[in-house]
Amino acid sequence: DQQVKQNSPSLSVQEGRISILNCDYTNSMFDYFLWYKKYPAEGPTFLISISSIKDKNEDGRFTVFLNKSAKHLSLHIVPSQPGDSAVYFCAAIRSGTYKYIFGTGTRLKVLA
Amino acid sequence: DTGVSQDPRHKITKRGQNVTFRCDPISEHNRLYWYRQTLGQGPEFLTYFQNEAQLEKSRLLSDRFSAERPKGSFSTLEIQRTEQGDSAMYLCASSLGGTGASPLHFGNGTRLTVT
Repeated sequence: DQQVKQNSPSLSVQEGRISILNCDYTNSMFDYFLWYKKYPAEGPTFLISISSIKDKNEDGRFTVFLNKSAKHLSLHIVPSQPGDSAVYFCAAIRSGTYKYIFGTGTRLKVLA
Repeated sequence: DTGVSQDPRHKITKRGQNVTFRCDPISEHNRLYWYRQTLGQGPEFLTYFQNEAQLEKSRLLSDRFSAERPKGSFSTLEIQRTEQGDSAMYLCASSLGGTGASPLHFGNGTRLTVT
């Protein structure tokens, strides 16, 4: 049972434009959500997170939006840069538990 | 660099052999996790330590897998009698414990190839 889903395996965006990566979850008990970026041959790198008490969190070019009623979150990257080309994973966890559940990833390619 | 370090980066072994991987977490982090990632998939949870106590173990972890974290510092993951299906990237992560959830910080992983 895939509790965290990233339905787009890949996305291509022009440099300077907005990249929007989407993630859906099924478990309404999740209350903390994270986005990670992964380059080949490296481990995932933490980007940004959001608690369920918020609907938006911003850090520089990265903004995460949470829609609890739709069980949906998205990561916006503005403006997109070629160095953003990587695989992006969303993850979710219920506070007080230990198991972070990851989606299958979306490969972002930013075209120069 | 005080990030999570894993050793070795790559391991090629023959089916039936035993392998052991090591993880050194960020020093002030009391929580340590092992995840496994295969091609086209996200990281899958294997096991979790809080200090030296192994508090949760996934059903993915068969009896051939064992993990330890002596003295709550570094951790080892051993796979006995390796099978080709064990080929994957094994990722270690650590986090700072507290009242709420906090981000995992991953190492660069150990890529295991079983021939």
